[in-house]
Amino acid sequence: SQQGEEDPQALSIQEGENATMNCSYKTSINNLQWYRQNSGRGLVHLILIRSNEREKHSGRLRVTLDTSKKSSSLLITASRAADTASYFCATDELPGNQFYFGTGTSLTVIP
Amino acid sequence: DADVTQTPRNRITKTGKRIMLECSQTKGHDRMYWYRQDPGLGLRLIYYSFDVKDINKGEISDGYSVSRQAQAKFSLSLESAIPNQTALYFCATSAKPAFGGWEVNEQFFGPGTRLTVL
Repeated sequence: SQQGEEDPQALSIQEGENATMNCSYKTSINNLQWYRQNSGRGLVHLILIRSNEREKHSGRLRVTLDTSKKSSSLLITASRAADTASYFCATDELPGNQFYFGTGTSLTVIP
Repeated sequence: DADVTQTPRNRITKTGKRIMLECSQTKGHDRMYWYRQDPGLGLRLIYYSFDVKDINKGEISDGYSVSRQAQAKFSLSLESAIPNQTALYFCATSAKPAFGGWEVNEQFFGPGTRLTVL
């Protein structure tokens, strides 16, 4: 399987703390994206980082990309109970334009 | 109204039956995708279509077929359903890159179809 792997599989933190999750992938990429999924529902796009970018911010989200290590991290600062969800990375991989999702990190934010 | 809709939302069927899942979008996107989600495995790409005349196999296309009837419609068929096709199925769309090329941009997902094959 070409699926990426995410670490940790599950994360539980207190409201107000920061949450960091990591993603590793296997081949060269055009871009890497992060998505959020509330239980059993459709995925929602959070942020996209291209292969020539190293860091990107969007509100409370910070994403880094290290193409030499084939890895990315997503940091959610000042977490809220509403951030409780599963988070997936996804890669637009070369060649062939296949699109692969990671196995996900389940985040629980305790009020 | 939702931009990406899927029908049915839930379906229970028996082994050997033919099943069609339908996806419609009002986003005006050229690109459409079908995924399945299994617990602990994330999403896996079944088929994708970059325009009406383009169909491509994804990571796990065996046992599935698709039809792109129009820019807005992309259907997934299971010709003879089997129990290990029990899963949550998602349709998604994305826009073409602004300056051409093959990069996959932000995808917009439908609400999913929960399929159970007995």
